[in-house]
Amino acid sequence: DSGVTQTPKHLITATGQRVTLRCSPRSGDLSVYWYQQSLDQGLQFLIQYYNGEERAKGNILERFSAQQFPDLHSELNLSSLELGDSALYFCASSVASQGVEQYFGPGTRLTVT
Amino acid sequence: GQQLNQSPQSMFIQEGEDVSMNCTSSSIFNTWLWYKQDPGEGPVLLIALYKAGELTSNGRLTAQFGITRKDSFLNISASIPSDVGIYFCAGRAGGTSYGKLTFGQGTILTVHP
Repeated sequence: DSGVTQTPKHLITATGQRVTLRCSPRSGDLSVYWYQQSLDQGLQFLIQYYNGEERAKGNILERFSAQQFPDLHSELNLSSLELGDSALYFCASSVASQGVEQYFGPGTRLTVT
Repeated sequence: GQQLNQSPQSMFIQEGEDVSMNCTSSSIFNTWLWYKQDPGEGPVLLIALYKAGELTSNGRLTAQFGITRKDSFLNISASIPSDVGIYFCAGRAGGTSYGKLTFGQGTILTVHP
């Protein structure tokens, strides 16, 4: 158990819908990262927040957005969902802004039908 | 963008055998990491490497940060059935990349008892 929690574990929704994935980092960690894992693209970095502020951005679609709240939990919002958005979404956390040692949560499996 | 080439893509070995896998990049990384992922779970950090030439062990696992800073290697000695899983290398460029990790495509390891 990494100490990072993610909810829900599984999510099934229809195209065009909007969903919110939630992540709570390890106690004491200030950075939260979101990654997408799909069969064809592998593990791809989406976005990083540190203490409530966006720090780094990867190839995150404009339909996706994230935020980190004062209690340090983070949410990833996915809208206008397409079939190709079906994937595993992982949250990771680290202590520092340039946190190398990132600890991953169990993931949310999103299926878009 | 940065890409990591990880090889081999898969390995089928007998219990007790040693395993070697590697990762190469077209650009320099300041940090290399190795993760293991079991089915249905998030990646688990195995080893982190911070300096070119560094050799670090974690039990039966040994990893090295290549001198050119463009490659890394992972060795597993005396494999056991619980070593089964997908092994990922990851690199961090540093600077304005903050905590962004770039992942290899993974090596699927199967260990026959």
